[in-house]
Amino acid sequence: KQEVTQIPAALSVPEGENLVLNCSFTDSAIYNLQWFRQDPGKGLTSLLLIQSSQREQTSGRLNASLDKSSGRSTLYIAASQPGDSATYLCAVPGGGSEKLVFGKGTKLTVNP
Amino acid sequence: GAVVSQHPSWVICKSGTSVKIECRSLDFQATTMFWYRQFPKQSLMLMATSNEGSKATYEQGVEKDKFLINHASLTLSTLTVTSAHPEDSSFYICSARTSGSSYEQYFGPGTRLTVT
Repeated sequence: KQEVTQIPAALSVPEGENLVLNCSFTDSAIYNLQWFRQDPGKGLTSLLLIQSSQREQTSGRLNASLDKSSGRSTLYIAASQPGDSATYLCAVPGGGSEKLVFGKGTKLTVNP
Repeated sequence: GAVVSQHPSWVICKSGTSVKIECRSLDFQATTMFWYRQFPKQSLMLMATSNEGSKATYEQGVEKDKFLINHASLTLSTLTVTSAHPEDSSFYICSARTSGSSYEQYFGPGTRLTVT
């Protein structure tokens, strides 16, 4: 059974700092991994999707890496801004299917 | 592109009544739609997977007679919470994906259900 763990559960940083969010998963037989952002009371916004054949993806100030063999992914946020404050979720397909298994998220607060 | 909408965005209903939530893919055809539930400070939990024109597949522990899912077209899926009770109060989110190899899911904005 696929399980996803995100560390830390919460993170508070000053504006401008670079930061790393961590995601680990137990079953490395995945075909992709997605990072999402969720604002309070809102749905999910897809940030990055990494295919299993890729090692990283970049979008603006975000960079996500994937190490399938070790069951880990990181989301790197450069030059953080108060608008980056949200909960960040990672998700992988569970059990070789298309169903997504989510971590509990990292709640990020960027202080001005 | 790849926009998913949900309606209503929030709803309050009395215990014992039924509530229908709609999920629409606005600019693509969704061969598969998913329904998730999220309790406060918890992550999303998959409730069911629905494919257009066929019966939904429910996750273990989810009552199919209580949470009725209909995926009648490639752009619309509905979730009906029947005989709602206060413990059904939650944030319900749908997602949709197209056919193809990427398996990327696009999420709706969610529906906040409060049962009094």
